[in-house]
Amino acid sequence: AQSVSQHNHHVILSEAASLELGCNYSYGGTVNLFWYVQYPGQHLQLLLKYFSGDPLVKGIKGFEAEFIKSKFSFNLRKPSVQWSDTAEYFCAAARNSGYSTLTFGKGTMLLVSP
Amino acid sequence: DSGVTQTPKHLITATGQRVTLRCSPRSGDLSVYWYQQSLDQGLQFLIQYYNGEERAKGNILERFSAQQFPDLHSELNLSSLELGDSALYFCASSVDPDTQYFGPGTRLTVL
Repeated sequence: AQSVSQHNHHVILSEAASLELGCNYSYGGTVNLFWYVQYPGQHLQLLLKYFSGDPLVKGIKGFEAEFIKSKFSFNLRKPSVQWSDTAEYFCAAARNSGYSTLTFGKGTMLLVSP
Repeated sequence: DSGVTQTPKHLITATGQRVTLRCSPRSGDLSVYWYQQSLDQGLQFLIQYYNGEERAKGNILERFSAQQFPDLHSELNLSSLELGDSALYFCASSVDPDTQYFGPGTRLTVL
């Protein structure tokens, strides 16, 4: 069965600290990978996505993610977090074939203290 | 603002009741997806419609049903509600297969 797992349920960082959120997927075949962010009280927004090509993907707000096929991983990184990055982060995957549905991880709640 | 609208924002109802959640996709998007977000289950895909037809089904209960109308808006019907149905229900839409845009959600509370 398809699944996405996020290693950390809660992460607490101070401002300017570096961030890495883990995501592993279990899928047969080629997958498309996504990171979404949900700020408090808001809807999910797409941070970045990987379909093919350069495994290092840059997204909005200074986020990036690296696809490592051998490890079935798609970890999210940011060199220096800000208080405004406090949010819940979701990794998601979909088969790379037509209108495929997204499978989400359980999410990681990031709290950045000023 | 993603361009996807959902109504109502909040809904409070009693067990055994039936409710209808509404979603208007972004202009031009033919696909609509419904998701349920709860504390214990996380974000789960329920069902997808494409141009009026059901395209994919996820973890949707038999008490739940959905449809997409000719103007492409979609409704999710939840019946015989139970306490455990309390959750945030998100709608998303897409024009290409791979990028979904999410609405603000409807928070359903079943008392």
